[in-house]
Amino acid sequence: SQKIEQNSEALNIQEGKTATLTCNYTNYSPAYLQWYRQDPGRGPVFLLLIRENEKEKRKERLKVTFDTTLKQSLFHITASQPADSATYLCALDRASGTYKYIFGTGTRLKVLA
Amino acid sequence: EAEVAQSPRYKITEKSQAVAFWCDPISGHATLYWYRQILGQGPELLVQFQDESVVDDSQLPKDRFSAERLKGVDSTLKIQPAELGDSAMYLCASSLSESENTEAFFGQGTRLTVV
Repeated sequence: SQKIEQNSEALNIQEGKTATLTCNYTNYSPAYLQWYRQDPGRGPVFLLLIRENEKEKRKERLKVTFDTTLKQSLFHITASQPADSATYLCALDRASGTYKYIFGTGTRLKVLA
Repeated sequence: EAEVAQSPRYKITEKSQAVAFWCDPISGHATLYWYRQILGQGPELLVQFQDESVVDDSQLPKDRFSAERLKGVDSTLKIQPAELGDSAMYLCASSLSESENTEAFFGQGTRLTVV
């Protein structure tokens, strides 16, 4: 069955460093991958979308890579700030007719001042 | 800025009771989703509407859950009877279309506690 894995352990980093979060998937080949940010008690907020034919996408301090050979996406936040502390979710499209994104479990990031 | 509206924000109900959640998507968004998110996990799709039609409800426990979007605008998700295991955040989201390259906009969610 389709499986998406994100590191369930919280990631703690120092302010100013680059945070790197991983999203691995097995048993299917998505055409699109999205990253969302979720703060406690709130709904996810869309950050970036990357297509299978795009190796890298950037938006301000955010960078996403999509390696269809490794079946992995990396999400980077450069010059991290305490305000970046949140849970980050990756979501992959089903690519099976009806549009449907499947979410990973998310990784909690804490940026220490 | 346009938002997806959900109500109530919090709901406490006793098991075996009925409970309903309401969602008003962003104006003009044809696609509406209901997700359930258990603490520490990612959102799980329950049902997807395209206008007033159900596109996917394969993960909806139909013996107790129902969803409708009668006029293709706002939507209601109902649970009857509620069980302890239904305690979770129920998220509504909408998107402009059902195309894969479209972002979803989420509401604040309804936190359900079944006691």
